[in-house]
Formats: sequence, C-alpha cells, structure tokens
Amino acid sequence: DTAVSQTPKYLVTQMGNDKSIKCEQNLGHDTMYWYKQDSKKFLKIMFSYNNKELIINETVPNRFSPKSPDKAHLNLHINSLELGDSAVYFCASSQTSPGQTGNQPQHFGDGTRLSIL
Amino acid sequence: SQKIEQNSEALNIQEGKTATLTCNYTNYSPAYLQWYRQDPGRGPVFLLLIRENEKEKRKERLKVTFDTTLKQSLFHITASQPADSATYLCALTSGTYKYIFGTGTRLKVLA
Repeated sequence: DTAVSQTPKYLVTQMGNDKSIKCEQNLGHDTMYWYKQDSKKFLKIMFSYNNKELIINETVPNRFSPKSPDKAHLNLHINSLELGDSAVYFCASSQTSPGQTGNQPQHFGDGTRLSIL
Repeated sequence: SQKIEQNSEALNIQEGKTATLTCNYTNYSPAYLQWYRQDPGRGPVFLLLIRENEKEKRKERLKVTFDTTLKQSLFHITASQPADSATYLCALTSGTYKYIFGTGTRLKVLA
C-alpha cells in the first residue's frame, strides 16, 4: 500500500493552461505539505495544512491554490502555467503531537514532474 | 535570511569506508534536525531525527551529530555500500510546520 500517493506522475502541458495535482495519504496523519523541487534539486516548502487548515503559505504566487477537502487529501491547482513552474512537485504528510511540531518525520510521495512547453 | 548548506554537491568514496556529510546553517535556531535519503525519481525518505539538546544519534550504520554552537550537523555512514549511493538531504525546523531543506549531497559509493 502506497502511504502518500500523487497523481499524475508526469504532467506535460502548454504555457497558460490550468492543471491540478492530487495527493492522498493513508497514514492517518493530520498535516500535509506541498514542496517544489527545482532543477538543482533544491526542495522548498510551498504550503502546509494541519487538519484541513492552511498553516503555511510561503509567498507562493496566487496562481497556486491548494485545497484540502479532508485530512487525507491535499490537492494543488495551478492557473495560467508559466515556464518557471516546470519542476517536480512533492506532497508529504506528518503526524503532529499536541503542542509540538517538527519532531516527526515527513512521508513523501514520489513526486509529479511538471513540464511546461 | 535563513540558509542551509551541505558540504558538497557530490561525494565519491570507496566501498567499506565511512562517508561523512555536512550540514551547516546560518541565521537559524532549529529545534530539530532531520536527515533524508532521496533516490532518482523518488521522494525523500526519512532516516534520522536529532533534537537540539542531543549530541548524537545512531541507527544501524548511520550516525548523526548536532552541534548548535558550530551550527552544524554531521551525517556518517559507516562500512558504506554501493546501495548507499543516493542524494542525502538535511532538514531543519524550529518547531513550526515549516521545514527548511538543505541543498543535498549526492553520494556515490564505488565498488
């Protein structure tokens, strides 16, 4: 059973299009994240959700809109795609202890490789 | 601004030797430091976590040290094997939901 699954694995599309990436975790975790990994393999956090509530938004353009319908899902919708959006997008999840964060491992999906033509 | 650097982009070592990877940070006071392994085409996989008040943590052939005075963590793989070849990432958090990842070190263990 895949713990954190993302779909699609590959996404090739034209500049200006709108696309969505889906993420689901079956670990029972209460916190989910989206990361962007660029061509130099630098992994940067974009969003963090705890119990469906947005906790972190790292100055990501408004074209990126995450949505968490429930604790097990965190989807990412991107409007008006630009060349600079080409990257690998990773979803992750972790369990937070009451009053404590950061002390639990994150579980990552295998990424969605987005290529803008 | 907060910055995390890992010693080198790539590191080649002979099988059986100890690999030592470095994670240095500035303008940050992390409460926790984590190490991850990433294989090509896959997501990072958690290896070890160390707290700011811990000096050292071990797990099988892996050892992590954390020196908050030097603002540095060292990650050691003893008796390295070709299967240990991967990119290793350090990640820091100050106890919030925000994790900051290092630039990664690509380790290659030569048979």
